[in-house]
Amino acid sequence: AIQMTQSPSSLSASVGDRVTITCRASQGIRNDLGWYQQKPGKAPKLLIYAASTLQSGVPSRFSGGGSGTDFTLTISSLQPEDAATYHCLQVYNFPWTFGQGTKVEIK
Amino acid sequence: EVHLVESGGGLVQPGGSLRLSCAASEFTFSSYWMHWVRQAPGKGLVWVSRISSDGSMTTYADSVKGRFTVSRDNAKNTLYLQMNSLRAEDTAVYYCTRLLYNGSYYFDYWGQGTLVTVSS
Repeated sequence: AIQMTQSPSSLSASVGDRVTITCRASQGIRNDLGWYQQKPGKAPKLLIYAASTLQSGVPSRFSGGGSGTDFTLTISSLQPEDAATYHCLQVYNFPWTFGQGTKVEIK
Repeated sequence: EVHLVESGGGLVQPGGSLRLSCAASEFTFSSYWMHWVRQAPGKGLVWVSRISSDGSMTTYADSVKGRFTVSRDNAKNTLYLQMNSLRAEDTAVYYCTRLLYNGSYYFDYWGQGTLVTVSS
């Protein structure tokens, strides 16, 4: 199975900061990666698919990049409502695998 | 608005069985592949299984293969997950998800989840 390694596992940043989360795949996965946001007690919500395509309705401060093995999720200007855990998911081959999650807190 | 509503979770003893349901509405259920994803308390997300739009093809994570069976009733717009020989490590919130493809696959809608607790 492809292993997805996210970093950092948690971070604390101030409102307005630029935040970047990385996800590394144990083998190349082309651009078959998505990013999901999950708030406590809630289901995950799709932010980005195909590594860099913003899902409809998601604020433009979220962006994704990368291809192959290294991927990033960037929040250009952190907002209070962005406090959540972020998960990457590879959909290149089965079993599909998630990263371990990155918890983002607001200072 | 697409709705996915899971039900059937609860407390079950090790070795027991449980059937989860996911009621779908406001979209043409029979046109979509559906998946199950689970999340143990305080842990990350784990993909569990998938089923094709007509129910003819299924795939499972190794951890549940031979114990879990995914099925669907397109006439009732409902997805199922039959879970047998349950273990403590199956304790999790189980989410049903709808799959889309547009250059890559992604889950565009998730249910609210149903909690399964395996404990004596």
